[in-house]
Amino acid sequence: DGGITQSPKYLFRKEGQNVTLSCEQNLNHDAMYWYRQDPGQGLRLIYYSQIVNDFQKGDIAEGYSVSREKKESFPLTVTSAQKNPTAFYLCASSPEGNQPQHFGDGTRLSIL
Amino acid sequence: KQEVTQIPAALSVPEGENLVLNCSFTDSAIYNLQWFRQDPGKGLTSLLLIQSSQREQTSGRLNASLDKSSGRSTLYIAASQPGDSATYLCAVGTNAGGTSYGKLTFGQGTILTVHP
Repeated sequence: DGGITQSPKYLFRKEGQNVTLSCEQNLNHDAMYWYRQDPGQGLRLIYYSQIVNDFQKGDIAEGYSVSREKKESFPLTVTSAQKNPTAFYLCASSPEGNQPQHFGDGTRLSIL
Repeated sequence: KQEVTQIPAALSVPEGENLVLNCSFTDSAIYNLQWFRQDPGKGLTSLLLIQSSQREQTSGRLNASLDKSSGRSTLYIAASQPGDSATYLCAVGTNAGGTSYGKLTFGQGTILTVHP
């Protein structure tokens, strides 16, 4: 089945630690996105990538980093500089053009 | 900067009612508008996508309309069922830095509860 796989489903971070969230897609989509969702709020864009080896900051990129070394993979690192990382993180992908975005099932990150 | 607002924040209705969810946006220069459904603790499922040149889209019991000039969209759900209970999110697509890709700006969602 084609789709987007996010792992792990739950993740815990200690103070001062960097953690990496995985996102893999087998839809052959060019563009990939990372969003953050806080309780009672909509999604906010962290980073997006339109092609391999290229990515752009979204609205709330501070404290996060990404890489796009392969078309199918777009990992997100939550660094120790992100002071309020507790949230639900969602990855999405889309083909080129004016097409719908498809979402994974999310990773819930909490602080120990 | 694009801002998207959804009203109401929560809605509780008896089974069988027809209902309307509202979405408004501040900048009419949009690519498209997408309605999503989110179940608790899950990702988003795309329900309907309306291109900027279209006025409405229909899928089964769902109908979404778009009025770009007034910055509004509505999602109409006919004959609601308990299985429709979820959070419904509206997202406006705009151009990502002059490329052919879109960026989505989301509203905060409407929590819908349909009780038997």
